[in-house]
Amino acid sequence: AQTVTQSQPEMSVQEAETVTLSCTYDTSESDYYLFWYKQPPSRQMILVIRQEAYKQQNATENRFSVNFQKAAKSFSLKISDSQLGDAAMYFCAYRRRAGSYQLTFGKGTKLSVIP
Amino acid sequence: KAGVTQTPRYLIKTRGQQVTLSCSPISGHRSVSWYQQTPGQGLQFLFEYFSETQRNKGNFPGRFSGRQFSNSRSEMNVSTLELGDSALYLCASTSTIGLAGVGNPGELFFGEGSRLTVL
Repeated sequence: AQTVTQSQPEMSVQEAETVTLSCTYDTSESDYYLFWYKQPPSRQMILVIRQEAYKQQNATENRFSVNFQKAAKSFSLKISDSQLGDAAMYFCAYRRRAGSYQLTFGKGTKLSVIP
Repeated sequence: KAGVTQTPRYLIKTRGQQVTLSCSPISGHRSVSWYQQTPGQGLQFLFEYFSETQRNKGNFPGRFSGRQFSNSRSEMNVSTLELGDSALYLCASTSTIGLAGVGNPGELFFGEGSRLTVL
């Protein structure tokens, strides 16, 4: 069974600074997707960024980028130029490439942004 | 395009009762999945439906059931409620253009959830 571990339950960052959220996962599959989802307080969860395991290049979406280390099974999220609106729970998630759309989530990291 | 709509948003039940939660996916999305979110267990997969068929089921007791209708709307039911069923229940839909894994990363679009409190 796949597992996803987020070792930082809470983190904080100064506005305009950079923060990195950690995620490790365990799988015997060679092909899969990894995701970071953001869940603001009392609001719906939205996709932040996606990485396909067969792609060597790290994904980037504006201020958000990942450091994908397949051999180490590590998938960290870097948020640059942090904004107040970035404050949220961040979940790392894994999905097998083929078959079900089922996601396996980590326990999440609560990010606070300090003005 | 309207997002995923879940009803009711909040509800309070007592132990032993049953509850039905509803989810309307994004128009055109035929796959719907459900997750339970609790502070202790985090986000756990309940089940996944596609074209009215349950494709996948998580490790939950038989008290948890679901179904999907021909218009892709989905409901989940929890019978004989227990205190531990108190949670945020999230529904997500995804486009199934292309098979999962074949050029379709299957981004899930989540609703705002139904918060169930069992007293």
